Amino acid sequence: GAGVSQTPSNKVTEKGKYVELRCDPISGHTALYWYRQSLGQGPEFLIYFQGTGAADDSGLPNDRFFAVRPEGSVSTLKIQRTERGDSAVYLCASSPLGGVTGELFFGEGSRLTVL
Amino acid sequence: GDSVTQMEGPVTLSEEACLTINCTYTATGYPSLFWYVQYPGEGLQLLLKATKADDKGSNKGFEATYRKETTSFHLEKGSVQVSDSAVYFCALISRVGSQGNLIFGKGTKLSVKP
Repeated sequence: GAGVSQTPSNKVTEKGKYVELRCDPISGHTALYWYRQSLGQGPEFLIYFQGTGAADDSGLPNDRFFAVRPEGSVSTLKIQRTERGDSAVYLCASSPLGGVTGELFFGEGSRLTVL
Repeated sequence: GDSVTQMEGPVTLSEEACLTINCTYTATGYPSLFWYVQYPGEGLQLLLKATKADDKGSNKGFEATYRKETTSFHLEKGSVQVSDSAVYFCALISRVGSQGNLIFGKGTKLSVKP
């Protein structure tokens, strides 16, 4: 389809394991965002890419979280030494204009459960 | 810091009832304001927006007016349908140093019964 695609849709892992979540944005969208949505909460900003570079990573909670976008398209969010508190839905969004219009196109999310 | 507060749900209405979901904000400067909607099994999508005071955003019968004096952006619809059942999120982008990072409220779940 033409929308933002996220894989896996569901991931169950054990505490301490490493996890990768993938986002395939809408073709041609230069801006890409990662958000995290905990149960009963709204999405919280993690990191923003403009092209290949992380323009703003101020929302990453700690150094266990890292994201890359090496070719300016697909992005991977990487979580090391997962903790139970990392359990959440991780949302990816893209935008054609750098996002300053506020119109982001979201994927359906990757639900991460850390046991 | 900037924040959004919206009424807690869930909200349950009968078809054709009037809807209001309250949203207030705290922001530095003059933010742009948004309502996003998440239908079951789908990703968040933009419903409507307003970029300056007294602007009214509208879409699919929903409306919201940017009220600077009360720092509010309440979502309204005169007659809801079963298909409006979803979670609604109020959000803002601060103009100060913004790179499009949306700040969201907690969301309000709406259920419309036939």
